[in-house]
Amino acid sequence: EAQVTQNPRYLITVTGKKLTVTCSQNMNHEYMSWYRQDPGLGLRQIYYSMNVEVTDKGDVPEGYKVSRKEKRNFPLILESPSPNQTSLYFCASSSQGNIEQFFGPGTRLTVL
Amino acid sequence: AQSVTQLGSHVSVSEGALVLLRCNYSSSVPPYLFWYVQYPNQGLQLLLKYTSAATLVKGINGFEAEFKKSETSFHLTKPSAHMSDAAEYFCAVTLRFQGAQKLVFGQGTRLTINP
Repeated sequence: EAQVTQNPRYLITVTGKKLTVTCSQNMNHEYMSWYRQDPGLGLRQIYYSMNVEVTDKGDVPEGYKVSRKEKRNFPLILESPSPNQTSLYFCASSSQGNIEQFFGPGTRLTVL
Repeated sequence: AQSVTQLGSHVSVSEGALVLLRCNYSSSVPPYLFWYVQYPNQGLQLLLKYTSAATLVKGINGFEAEFKKSETSFHLTKPSAHMSDAAEYFCAVTLRFQGAQKLVFGQGTRLTINP
């Protein structure tokens, strides 16, 4: 089954404790992206990647890091999480030249 | 830069009634427009998209949207609401030369269906 998977689905952590949210897709898509969803703000793009080793900032990159060492994986790293990063995070992917994005199920992060 | 405004953060309709969710966009060049739906505890699913072919676009689950350049609108409609339509709906825009990597979302509209 073609899908985008994220782990973990739910995470509660404390301020300053480094964490990684994994994202993996099995569709051989070149493009991958991370969004955060907050009430009243919709989805905002954090980072995106056009292909392996090619990443760029989205609209709200502060406090986040990403890497794209393999085509299928695009982890989101929070080096020192803060409470304002409490949010619902989505990973998405699409193939080159296709404007439709496929979304993962989301990761709900709470930073205390 | 492109932007999207969804009028109404919450819309409530009765089962069987018309559903109308409003979306206005701002773009200096011809856009691609999308409607996504998010069911509780799930990711986003594409409902329909406008890519410069027909201005009336039909999507899944009986939804459709009409691109009106003069009004810079892309409102989503369904003639008869069903209980299963209760979800959050997002309008999104990207510019044709930018593709998927610069998808900009509206703030979302939560649709409630009353029995």
